[in-house]
Amino acid sequence: AQTVTQSQPEMSVQEAETVTLSCTYDTSENNYYLFWYKQPPSRQMILVIRQEAYKQQNATENRFSVNFQKAAKSFSLKISDSQLGDTAMYFCANGGATNKLIFGTGTLLAVQP
Amino acid sequence: NAGVTQTPKFQVLKTGQSMTLQCAQDMNHNSMYWYRQDPGMGLRLIYYSASEGTTDKGEVPNGYNVSRLNKREFSLRLESAAPSQTSVYFCASSEFWASSYTFGSGTRLTVV
Repeated sequence: AQTVTQSQPEMSVQEAETVTLSCTYDTSENNYYLFWYKQPPSRQMILVIRQEAYKQQNATENRFSVNFQKAAKSFSLKISDSQLGDTAMYFCANGGATNKLIFGTGTLLAVQP
Repeated sequence: NAGVTQTPKFQVLKTGQSMTLQCAQDMNHNSMYWYRQDPGMGLRLIYYSASEGTTDKGEVPNGYNVSRLNKREFSLRLESAAPSQTSVYFCASSEFWASSYTFGSGTRLTVV
C-alpha cells in the first residue's frame, strides 16, 4: 500500500529566508509521481510542484524546488526567499498506476515578518 | 474558466438527514475524485471515477455513495449523516495519468 509521511506538523521561517519541508513515501510501483500542494487559509488546494519518478533531475518552479531521493523515498520541498504569501498548509502526495493520489498529513508553514 | 465547481460551500445537517454534494468540471477531464479533509489526517480518498461510467471505492467509503452522472458531473451522497462525517469535502479532477489534480473550493459540512 502507498503511504506518505510528513513528520513536521508545523514549521516557521522568517521572511526572505529558506525553509525545507520533509516528505517520505512508500510505494511498490515502479512508475509513480509526486506532488506538493499548498492550501492557504482560503482553503483552495493549489499545485506547487510535480515530479515524475523516472526523471532524475529535480523539479523547480521559481522559488520552489524539490530534493528527490528515489532510493531513500524522500521528496522534500525547498522554498527560497520566503514570502508572507507562502503561509499555508503544505501537502505532499504520491500517485501511481490508478492515478489516485495519497496525501500526507500536511505541514503548516508560518512565514514571519 | 470555472474549473471545478462544488456546491454547496457550507452545510449543517442533523444526524440521520441525507444530502448530496454536487461537483462539476468544465475541463473535459476523464477522472474525478472525492476527498475528505480532517485535522491532522490530511486528505483521504472517499470514492473516485477513473472515467465516465465507472466508480470505485477509496480509503474511506463507508457511509457514502457516488454517481458519475456524465463526464462533467460527479456527486457524493450521504444517505444518513453521522457526526463522524463532519469534515471538509473536496472534489477534484484530472485529465490523464500523472497529470495534476484540479480541486474545487471545498464544502464544509457539519453534522449535529
